[in-house]
Amino acid sequence: QKEVEQNSGPLSVPEGAIASLNCTYSDRGSQSFFWYRQYSGKSPELIMFIYSNGDKEDGRFTAQLNKASQYVSLLIRDSQPSDSATYLCAVNAGGANSKLTFGKGITLSVRP
Amino acid sequence: GAVVSQHPSWVICKSGTSVKIECRSLDFQATTMFWYRQFPKQSLMLMATSNEGSKATYEQGVEKDKFLINHASLTLSTLTVTSAHPEDSSFYICSARVAGWNTGELFFGEGSRLTVL
Repeated sequence: QKEVEQNSGPLSVPEGAIASLNCTYSDRGSQSFFWYRQYSGKSPELIMFIYSNGDKEDGRFTAQLNKASQYVSLLIRDSQPSDSATYLCAVNAGGANSKLTFGKGITLSVRP
Repeated sequence: GAVVSQHPSWVICKSGTSVKIECRSLDFQATTMFWYRQFPKQSLMLMATSNEGSKATYEQGVEKDKFLINHASLTLSTLTVTSAHPEDSSFYICSARVAGWNTGELFFGEGSRLTVL
């Protein structure tokens, strides 16, 4: 069974700090990886996706992928209280039409 | 990004009635849509994959006769919860992929919160 595991939370960081969110996956054939943010009572919104090993930066967000170790992480620099949400890691093991497998999510709290 | 609209955003119904939820891709065509359910403080649970013009594929444990899915066009999929019961109360979220994109990301609707009395 394909699994996506995320650190048990919640994670609390002070405002301005770097938040590091980690995710591991079991299917070595996974091809694409996604990070979604979900505010309480709302639906998920896409933050970033990554396919290749290494880092991908978008503003304050950096996704890191290491296929050999089967993990993907999300770094949030200069964390803001508005970043407080649940972050979901998702993995696509197949082609573009395959379903995504989601982790359980980790709740991030940024303290002012 | 691509916009997915879901309606209604919340609904309250009596036990035993049926509820229909619509999911529309507003600015793109979606050959595949996915329906999720989320209980409080839990992660997304995939219920079914909806393919335009064909029968939906249901996940194990999801009753296809209770959760009817219709994907009649490239921009509309509907989920009907038949004979709803209080245990069906949940947050139902649809998502879609842009046809022709090979990047694989899903765009989510706003979600529909169902409360069955």
